[in-house]
Amino acid sequence: SAVISQKPSRDICQRGTSLTIQCQVDSQVTMMFWYRQQPGQSLTLIATANQGSEATYESGFVIDKFPISRPNLTFSTLTVSNMSPEDSSIYLCSVGQGGWDEQFFGPGTRLTVL
Amino acid sequence: DAKTTQPNSMESNEEEPVHLPCNHSTISGTDYIHWYRQLPSQGPEYVIHGLTSNVNNRMASLAIAEDRKSSTLILHRATLRDAAVYYCILRDVGGGSNYKLTFGKGTLLTVNP
Repeated sequence: SAVISQKPSRDICQRGTSLTIQCQVDSQVTMMFWYRQQPGQSLTLIATANQGSEATYESGFVIDKFPISRPNLTFSTLTVSNMSPEDSSIYLCSVGQGGWDEQFFGPGTRLTVL
Repeated sequence: DAKTTQPNSMESNEEEPVHLPCNHSTISGTDYIHWYRQLPSQGPEYVIHGLTSNVNNRMASLAIAEDRKSSTLILHRATLRDAAVYYCILRDVGGGSNYKLTFGKGTLLTVNP
């Protein structure tokens, strides 16, 4: 199993600014993922954070808008850049490992952009 | 990724069994059927998964049709804490899909006291 923490838990930001969200895991994991959950919607995968290489982005998401770092096997960051009100969402980190049946999710970061 | 179809919402009474259906008619041979749930204001949590045979764990049971085109998550005795959005997800473990999960809209389960 894995315990995941995210910082900040919530934030209110002004449009045009950037916010970096941190994801910390209590054990080394192979795979880390970043999801977005817009108000009242399901989760959408943004990207897979790869340790030691660039993240792999899903269709509709680009590195300039959502740069991701993965410096080691227990930590990742997601930056939401040049924010607009449409970026108001919950951002969730999840982790997986080869041989695990399940993924574990963090509590999420609730972002409001004014 | 193969898609799943679930009812938007279902309602149950506390202490009664709940059967949550999921259709996945385009499932492939390497797709596992996973169920996650998301309690209010929390991240999703794993419930159960299976490939062909019915599965049981401490949280729920998973009944898989013989042709694998549908499945049913069974909560044997619903409690108020089971009120959540339940997601049925197909996870392809063949071909190097790196285990990513594709969430559909899910079923909002309401449990009445």
